[in-house]
Amino acid sequence: SAVISQKPSRDICQRGTSLTIQCQVDSQVTMMFWYRQQPGQSLTLIATANQGSEATYESGFVIDKFPISRPNLTFSTLTVSNLSPEDSSIYLCSVALAGRDTQYFGPGTRLTVL
Amino acid sequence: AQRVTQPEKLLSVFKGAPVELKCNYSYSGSPELFWYVQYSRQRLQLLLRHISRESIKGFTADLNKGETSFHLKKPFAQEEDSAMYYCALSYMNRDDKIIFGKGTRLHILP
Repeated sequence: SAVISQKPSRDICQRGTSLTIQCQVDSQVTMMFWYRQQPGQSLTLIATANQGSEATYESGFVIDKFPISRPNLTFSTLTVSNLSPEDSSIYLCSVALAGRDTQYFGPGTRLTVL
Repeated sequence: AQRVTQPEKLLSVFKGAPVELKCNYSYSGSPELFWYVQYSRQRLQLLLRHISRESIKGFTADLNKGETSFHLKKPFAQEEDSAMYYCALSYMNRDDKIIFGKGTRLHILP
């Protein structure tokens, strides 16, 4: 298994600002994923972050709005830019261990945009 | 297109009664199906996966390819089973991506 931590656990931000969320894993992993869980909705994959290459974004998500960094095999950041109230959500990172498609999830970051 | 459907948003069951959480999927290839669970104030975690054919916390789920279903069952509900349950589908050989259903909140009544 993998132990994943996220910072911050929650934040309240003003419209137009940005928030960067950090995800730290206790072991080296190839694939890291960022999800959004809007109120009352399921998890939606934002992007897949591979170390050493550009993140791969899902339909409806763009790099300008959700820039991602993956500097090494244990860490990733997701920035939510130019915030609007519609970005209020829980953001989760997850990892898949090599050779296994089970995903392990972080505790999530609850973002509220005023 | 790949899709996971959980028709019930909320399911209330009396303690000791059987539980069945429904999940149907749409996928043209060979799917791998999972059930994830999120207990109150805990993170999302894997409950079971169809390929393992195991029973976890008394829960089982059988993949029915004919009906494209992967319903989660437990013969006797316990209060600690109250949680949010998500059915999920993995694209085989597609970079470990997973699609989640909208989830079903299971509420066990005393």
